[in-house]
Amino acid sequence: AQKVTQAQTEISVVEKEDVTLDCVYETRDTTYYLFWYKQPPSGELVFLIRRNSFDEQNEISGRYSWNFQKSTSSFNFTITASQVVDSAVYFCALSRTGGFKTIFGAGTRLFVKA
Amino acid sequence: DVKVTQSSRYLVKRTGEKVFLECVQDMDHENMFWYRQDPGLGLRLIYFSYDVKMKEKGDIPEGYSVSREKKERFSLILESASTNQTSMYLCASSYPFGDSSGANVLTFGAGSRLTVL
Repeated sequence: AQKVTQAQTEISVVEKEDVTLDCVYETRDTTYYLFWYKQPPSGELVFLIRRNSFDEQNEISGRYSWNFQKSTSSFNFTITASQVVDSAVYFCALSRTGGFKTIFGAGTRLFVKA
Repeated sequence: DVKVTQSSRYLVKRTGEKVFLECVQDMDHENMFWYRQDPGLGLRLIYFSYDVKMKEKGDIPEGYSVSREKKERFSLILESASTNQTSMYLCASSYPFGDSSGANVLTFGAGSRLTVL
């Protein structure tokens, strides 16, 4: 069975701090995708990144970076120099390559205070 | 700008009422999905459809049904609403897995918050 665990329910930081959101997954599939989505206060989930299981290279996009480690089944998300606009609920997700279903974690609510 | 549009942002219904939640996408996506979002539980898949008139149960289909008569429209139906169906309902769509650049990437609507009294 597939499972995604986001152990951090809520995180509160002060603006300009770095913050890491943890994601641990379980799957028996040999090929799969991992995702991060952002849900701002407006409510609409927005896609941030998709990572293929055979690509363990870390990725950086501006202040966002992702660390994928197959050995620990983790796909962590770091925001550098956080800003108030980063306040949102962040979801980690998993789907089997070639499958339809995407399994989501419970989400981590991030508060960034000015 | 690509979009998934959900017809109602907020609904209040009575127990036992039949409820329709409508979703339309303009991206020509084959796959469409209905999730419900509850605090502490994340998003859970109710039903999905990979083609017109095709539907598959997700993880929590009980008490729900769906309809997909046209490619762009996917409706969620609560035959007899109950209080435990009070939730945020999210519609999403995606390209099929054969399209490598966008495979399994979900585009979501703004959500429909349903309250059943």
